[in-house]
Amino acid sequence: QVQMVQSGAEVKQPGSSVKVSCKASGGSLSTYSVSWVRQAPGQGLEWMGRIIPTIRLVNYAQSFQGRVTITADRSTSTAYMELNNLTFDDTAVYYCARGGFSSGPLDPWGQGTLVTVSS
Amino acid sequence: DIQMTQSPSSLSASVGDRVTITCRASQDIINYLAWYQQKPGKVPKLLISGASTLQSGVPSRFSGSGSGTDFTLTISSLQPEDVATYYCQKYNGAPQTFGQGTKVEIK
Repeated sequence: QVQMVQSGAEVKQPGSSVKVSCKASGGSLSTYSVSWVRQAPGQGLEWMGRIIPTIRLVNYAQSFQGRVTITADRSTSTAYMELNNLTFDDTAVYYCARGGFSSGPLDPWGQGTLVTVSS
Repeated sequence: DIQMTQSPSSLSASVGDRVTITCRASQDIINYLAWYQQKPGKVPKLLISGASTLQSGVPSRFSGSGSGTDFTLTISSLQPEDVATYYCQKYNGAPQTFGQGTKVEIK
């Protein structure tokens, strides 16, 4: 049973960057994609983008284009999400989740990583 | 991009009531539609994929229907443990947009 295990909470200053990792423990990502989803305090789920590691295809939501970079290391079954030029509005829980190769629901999900942007 | 619109944004119902949440896509998504349940402080959980396929372990009081642009999540008999926010998501291609969520409470 694969589990998506994310890195720990982060506190960052405005204008800095954060990089969150997500490891598929007990399975590989060879026939799957990894999506990143953001949830600001008291708000809904916002899809940020995804990577299909096997073919190195990456898609980003328009609202994050140019500020987010999603990568993956196939050898360690780990995906990464880096968000640049942080503002207070980026304070949120960031989730990774495994999806289908080209289309598929998100399951399982990581435990979430709280990123707090504070001066 | 395809937009996903859920309604209502919140509802309050009594234990045992039948609850219906709708999700509308701005373009045809065939049946590439998932429903998730998120309880307060918890990670979202996949309930239904392919618009109507119940995931293993999900109580049978949950059901999904629809195709094309209009979809429905139904809870046939609301239970206290169903208090949560429910999200639909289209997952064909990208972006894989979520609806804005429906908060379900007990009256």
